[in-house]
Amino acid sequence: QITLKESGPTLVKPTQTLTLTCTFSGFSLTTTGVGVGWVRQPPGKALEWLALIYWNDDKQYNSSLKNRLTVTKDTPTKQVVLRMTNVGPVDTATYYCVHSDRITDDAFDMWGQGTMVTVSS
Amino acid sequence: SYVLTQPPSVSVAPGKTARITCGGNNIAGKTVHWYQQRPGQVPVLVIFFDSDRPSGIPERFSGSNSGDTATLTISGVEAGDEADYFCHVWDRSSDQQIFGGGTKLTVL
Repeated sequence: QITLKESGPTLVKPTQTLTLTCTFSGFSLTTTGVGVGWVRQPPGKALEWLALIYWNDDKQYNSSLKNRLTVTKDTPTKQVVLRMTNVGPVDTATYYCVHSDRITDDAFDMWGQGTMVTVSS
Repeated sequence: SYVLTQPPSVSVAPGKTARITCGGNNIAGKTVHWYQQRPGQVPVLVIFFDSDRPSGIPERFSGSNSGDTATLTISGVEAGDEADYFCHVWDRSSDQQIFGGGTKLTVL
């Protein structure tokens, strides 16, 4: 059974760096094709994809946010970390961790419960 | 960059068929995934690879993809289907994951 859980601060000040951790179970990030990604959703708004990291350490970033995002994986601890620099109020959102697989063209077949992050001074 | 366009809202009476569209330039050349997000809940994958259903998703949910439009069809709509629906593609040319803006399905 695949599970993912996000953790991190609920409140971040403008200009700070946001660090979120996804801890997963039920699969390995060494299996060919597997990826773990991040999707966010501002209150009342649409989903926005942020980043994906794959079993082979390839990474994808939302081109509009690329300069601010870094995604890394720690295979032994089954964690994926997202860092977002220089946050602002527009980054206030629920952040979701997702599982994907290239065999399904990266359908996000499992989602974490999400973590709400507010950016405010 | 590639853009997916969804109608903001669709309304349907219980028992009828709802069709939610996702428009994109030659979207038929891509594989489309659909997610359901009930109010206050986490998105759930309901269709992948244009028309495949994950286990546990009712047969009432189906998908198609042709030309510039992909369609999520919900037959025999129930009150519990009231939710936001989002389409998603992997744009290989830009290596970007793209979401549509979402469609709110209202069951009258």
